[in-house]
Amino acid sequence: EIVLTQSPGTLSLSPGERATLSCRAGQSVSGSYLAWYQQKPGQAPRLLIYDASNRATGVPDRFSGSGSGTDFTLTISRLEHEDFAVYYCQRYASSSWTFGQGTRIEIK
Amino acid sequence: QVQLVQSGAAIKKPGASVKISCKASGYTFRSHVIHWVRQVPGQRPEWMGWSNPANGNRYYSQRFQDRVTITTDTSASTGYLDLRSLSPEDTAVYYCARRDSRGEHFDGWGQGTSVIVSS
Repeated sequence: EIVLTQSPGTLSLSPGERATLSCRAGQSVSGSYLAWYQQKPGQAPRLLIYDASNRATGVPDRFSGSGSGTDFTLTISRLEHEDFAVYYCQRYASSSWTFGQGTRIEIK
Repeated sequence: QVQLVQSGAAIKKPGASVKISCKASGYTFRSHVIHWVRQVPGQRPEWMGWSNPANGNRYYSQRFQDRVTITTDTSASTGYLDLRSLSPEDTAVYYCARRDSRGEHFDGWGQGTSVIVSS
């Protein structure tokens, strides 16, 4: 099973600032099956990015994803109030779907 | 629009079973595999398994394969998660999720079903 490690655990930022979230896979896997989700309290995760860099339908263009192999990044160019939440990366490999432990973006 | 509506919260005793439903609407049910993911509050989501409505095929995480059954009923556009031999460690929110046909990710989620296991 692929282990995903996200960093940092918590980001303290102000609205308008840039957020950079990291997701590292324990081993390289072929294919770009890396997704990012946003989760707010009491809600289900919401798909933001799939295949490392493709924005899901309806996701604002301030969200972008990049990376390949073992290192992936989610960037939020200018934080809006509704972006303060927990973000998870998710990877598929060998018939298993794995999530990272999450990065919380909190208001500074 | 895509909607997945799950059954309500459950409180179970250790050793019992729980069955959660997930009714889909807004798309062709047979066209998308239904997965189940659970999340202990404050922890990362954990994938449990999937069922393909198109052919009835299923696949489970090794962690749960001895006590989970995931099914789909195409006539009702509904997926089901059946988890047996519950323990307090199974206390979590359980989500159904629709696999996107474009890849190995989930583009639609149910609202979640809270399951509490306590004596």
